[in-house]
Amino acid sequence: NAGVTQTPKFQVLKTGQSMTLQCAQDMNHNSMYWYRQDPGMGLRLIYYSASEGTTDKGEVPNGYNVSRLNKREFSLRLESAAPSQTSVYFCASSEGGSDLGYTFGSGTRLTVV
Amino acid sequence: GENVEQHPSTLSVQEGDSAVIKCTYSDSASNYFPWYKQELGKRPQLIIDIRSNVGEKKDQRIAVTLNKTAKHFSLHITETQPEDSAVYFCAASIAGGYQKVTFGTGTKLQVIP
Repeated sequence: NAGVTQTPKFQVLKTGQSMTLQCAQDMNHNSMYWYRQDPGMGLRLIYYSASEGTTDKGEVPNGYNVSRLNKREFSLRLESAAPSQTSVYFCASSEGGSDLGYTFGSGTRLTVV
Repeated sequence: GENVEQHPSTLSVQEGDSAVIKCTYSDSASNYFPWYKQELGKRPQLIIDIRSNVGEKKDQRIAVTLNKTAKHFSLHITETQPEDSAVYFCAASIAGGYQKVTFGTGTKLQVIP
C-alpha cells in the first residue's frame, strides 16, 4: 500500500519554465490537497479538490493551476515558474467524513533559478 | 478565514523532561484539531487529534488539551526522548463532507540527550 505518491522528488527550473507535479493516492480518498512549505511559514494551502471533478483555490493559488484527473490523481502545474515558487510542495489526501486525518506524500523540492 | 498561531517556534528540552506546544485559533466554528510531526526531510505525519466535543485526549506519552472558550489547544509530550526531536504542527479545521485544514507555523523541538 503506497499511500500518497509524488513525483518528482527534486526539480530545478529556470525562471519562465513550466512543469507539472504529479500526485496519486491509492487509499480511495475523496479529497486531495496541494500545500507548499516555506521556512517559518508552515504549510500553506495552494489548491484543493474536495471530490473528483471539483477544485478550489486555497490560501496561495496565484501562479498555479490544478487538475483532478480522476479520484486517484491530482496534479499541480506551474505555467511560468518564478523564484518565489522555490519551495517544498506536499500533496495530501483525506477520506473525509469521520476519518479526517491527512496522509501526506513525500514532497517535491523545487528550486527556480 | 481561519488563523492558527503556534508558540514557541523553537523549544529545547532535556531528555526525560516534558514539552508543551501551544496553539490558538480564530474561527469558533473549527471543531477538529490535529497535530502533525515532521522529522527532518520527511513528510508530516498525524500523531494525535482532538475533536471539539472532547477536552483532553492521551496516547501514551503524548496528550492534547482543548479549551473551546479560549480557543486554544496544546500538545504535551512527557518523558521526552531524542526521537521526539522534530517539527510539530498544530492545525484547525471544520469537519464536514471534506475538510480544509489551516496549519500553524510549526515548533522545532530539540530533545537534548
